[in-house]
Amino acid sequence: DAKTTQPPSMDCAEGRAANLPCNHSTISGNEYVYWYRQIHSQGPQYIIHGLKNNETNEMASLIITEDRKSSTLILPHATLRDTAVYYCIVYNLLPFSGNTGKLIFGQGTTLQVKP
Amino acid sequence: SQTIHQWPATLVQPVGSPLSLECTVEGTSNPNLYWYRQAAGRGLQLLFYSIGIDQISSEVPQNLSASRPQDRQFILSSKKLLLSDSGFYLCAWNTGFDQPQHFGDGTRLSIL
Repeated sequence: DAKTTQPPSMDCAEGRAANLPCNHSTISGNEYVYWYRQIHSQGPQYIIHGLKNNETNEMASLIITEDRKSSTLILPHATLRDTAVYYCIVYNLLPFSGNTGKLIFGQGTTLQVKP
Repeated sequence: SQTIHQWPATLVQPVGSPLSLECTVEGTSNPNLYWYRQAAGRGLQLLFYSIGIDQISSEVPQNLSASRPQDRQFILSSKKLLLSDSGFYLCAWNTGFDQPQHFGDGTRLSIL
């Protein structure tokens, strides 16, 4: 079962920043926050992940609150090609903990970027 | 750079027919490999994962099986397809459980 809560849909104007929220109030200390997106009829694409600190890469920024109970994915300048379903996932990386590497995808947020 | 290939992209099969979907990864050695299924309107479900040749773990009991005959090759099979096997099948890889998984473009399987 997914351990995250995301709004089902959001709109964003092209060229503006898209801020996608995620609640993960039951996250434990050894669990990372991962973000993926899935454009229709394609495989999910990895975006970014983090544990405690904010992270930035060429695609996006990830802001994690100090208590780690929520996070925000920021697409700084959204384009029409960013229209997709965005998934926030908590992931346990502890070795030998029975972790199978299973990513549990919830329903995600459908982001519609509009011209 | 690493790439992942899945084929075929789409497949229509009759109930009771066999299935073989193939996934190969290039540009890396000894990857972890994964098979997921996404049913219409639902999230991804992990079916199998493999940490090495001939090492397969099944996540859910089902009508499907997986094999890894070579380091970078992962095959999903069935002897007799059921209607419930329809879906979008995705292969993924990473270099360890602490690394992001990267997905192929998937195979859309329709059972008639």
